[in-house]
Amino acid sequence: QVQLRESGPRLVKPSETLSVTCTVSGDSSSSYYWSWIRQPPGKGLEWIGYIFSSGTTNYNPSLRSRVSISIDTPLRQFSLRLASVTAADTAVYFCARADGTRVVIDSWGQGTPVTVSS
Amino acid sequence: DLQMTQSPSTVSASVGDRVTITCRASQNLYSWVAWWQQKPGKVPKLLIFQASKLESGVSSRFSGSGSGTEFTLTISSLQPDDIATYYCQRYNGMFGQGTKVEIK
Repeated sequence: QVQLRESGPRLVKPSETLSVTCTVSGDSSSSYYWSWIRQPPGKGLEWIGYIFSSGTTNYNPSLRSRVSISIDTPLRQFSLRLASVTAADTAVYFCARADGTRVVIDSWGQGTPVTVSS
Repeated sequence: DLQMTQSPSTVSASVGDRVTITCRASQNLYSWVAWWQQKPGKVPKLLIFQASKLESGVSSRFSGSGSGTEFTLTISSLQPDDIATYYCQRYNGMFGQGTKVEIK
């Protein structure tokens, strides 16, 4: 049974870079899509992007100019970096996994809240 | 860019009612759509994948249909435990804006 856990600063200043890491435990031996999704307070889910096990990435067009997702396979971690943040980036950030065959998400982290404020 | 438009944004229905939520995509998604249920403070739960396939362990009250650009999630007989927000999602991509289901 795979488990995903997000970690990172809970408070980020405006114009700085938000960084969140997802640590994976359990089975991750197959090809997977490793995704980031966020949810601002009281609002809906927003897909940020994913990185495939091969390193291929795909990002939400509305965030593409500011977002980067990377993977560190030996450490069993993947990370999100979001540059030039504003208050609108305040949200709970979820990491998630989709297997390469079904493609639909099969595991989620519990989410980590990040507030953008000076 | 892909847009996923759900309607209605809120639905208020009585216990036992049939509830239908629609999701329209701006591009042909074939059957690559999933439906999620999210309760406050919880991680989303997968209900339907590949547009119409019921995820294991999910109540048969839930069903999905559609292909191409129009998809539907139906709750055949609304129960109090179904109070939640429902999202459609293109595989590995955009979510709809959500539909909040309430009990009348």
